[in-house]
This record gives sequence, structure tokens and C-alpha cells, in this order.
Amino acid sequence: DAGVIQSPRHEVTEMGQEVTLRCKPISGHDYLFWYRQTMMRGLELLIYFNNNVPIDDSGMPEDRFSAKMPNASFSTLKIQPSEPRDSAVYFCASSYLPPGTGDYEQYFGPGTRLTVT
Amino acid sequence: GESVGLHLPTLSVQEGDNSIINCAYSNSASDYFIWYKQESGKGPQFIIDIRSNMDKRQGQRVTVLLNKTVKHLSLQIAATQPGDSAVYFCAENNPHTGGFKTIFGAGTRLFVKA
Repeated sequence: DAGVIQSPRHEVTEMGQEVTLRCKPISGHDYLFWYRQTMMRGLELLIYFNNNVPIDDSGMPEDRFSAKMPNASFSTLKIQPSEPRDSAVYFCASSYLPPGTGDYEQYFGPGTRLTVT
Repeated sequence: GESVGLHLPTLSVQEGDNSIINCAYSNSASDYFIWYKQESGKGPQFIIDIRSNMDKRQGQRVTVLLNKTVKHLSLQIAATQPGDSAVYFCAENNPHTGGFKTIFGAGTRLFVKA
């Protein structure tokens, strides 16, 4: 398996534009996670899905952020409109089991570095 | 409130020595903990986890210790190698109705001197 795939790897956009980040989880993984990483706030869990259903989106910063998972092999994180403070590295991760279960492992993608000017 | 913090932002060790990275957490309800390794330009990599009903767990060259009394977590790396140079994060997991909440610490950067 190629691991978790994210695209694009880098995105530079102007304030006010819509940004869409994409993720393909590892085949067979039922859990998908979106994270954001910044120097100021570190790693933050934004939202996670189980079997394509959003379970907890309490980490999503505001209504400008939305995430979807239309099928088991694809998820998007959308920011509309984007703002400079959204600049960060966004990671997608997947796992077969939920955290806390035996033999749990979570696999991260390479991340998308977003710069909003 | 909930928080996970690290005592040392950077740690420098000699190749071959053992490394100990510490982490403090504040939520006594946390029942599961994970250590991640993040190399420059890459996503975090799962290293080892431990449940709150354990106080020690060993992996390959790594050991995680959990002290629930003082809410402290540590990662021990034996015979540290240059490839171990990275930022290490601890994360705590809080169960709550319908799911869980994962909170990450700020990270500790480990430098391994050859």
C-alpha cells in the first residue's frame, strides 16, 4: 500500500479564496482523521470519521472549515473563505481501529502545507 | 482544563546513549496515551502507545512509562541512533460520549550527536 496520500503537497492562495485539501486513506482503514499543525498551537485534531461518517468535529475552528468523506477512499477538507491565520500544515491520518484498542496504529500522510497570503 | 505539556523543548544526546523524553498531562480522565515521532518535512509516525491500566510497555528499543499518580508519561529510547533525531510528541486520549478526543503535547526535539 502507498500509505495515506494527500494532495496537494503545497498550496499558496490569496485571502478569501476557497481551498480544498484531499486525502486518500489506507485501504481498509475505517477511521480517518484531519489534523492541523502550527508553531503556535502544535498539532490539533480537527475532525475524524468512522466508516465515512463524521463522529467528532469539535476541533474544527469555525464555520469556514468543512470536511466530507463521500466514500471510504476519499476525504476533503475545505476552507472557504481562507484567511492568513489558516496557514499551517494539514495532515490526514487513518487507522483500522479506534484509539485505545489493542494493536492500534495510526498512519499519517505527508501533509499539505497551506500558505494564505 | 485539558492540557498536555512537555518539560524540555530540546534534548541533545550522544549516539549510543539512552534518551528519556518526558511529558505531563493534566486530565486524569485520559485513558490512553500515544508517542509520535516526526521527522522534518514528514507527518507524525506512531511509535508506541499505552493504556491507563498499564504502567509500562516496551517496543523495539523504546519503552513508555506511565505514572498516573503524578500524571506523567515518558518515552525511553535505548542506544539512541542518528536516525532517532526528530520531534517527539506525546498525545492523550480522552473518551467522551460517542467518541474520543486526542490532545497533543507541544513536542520535544531530540538531537543525536555522532
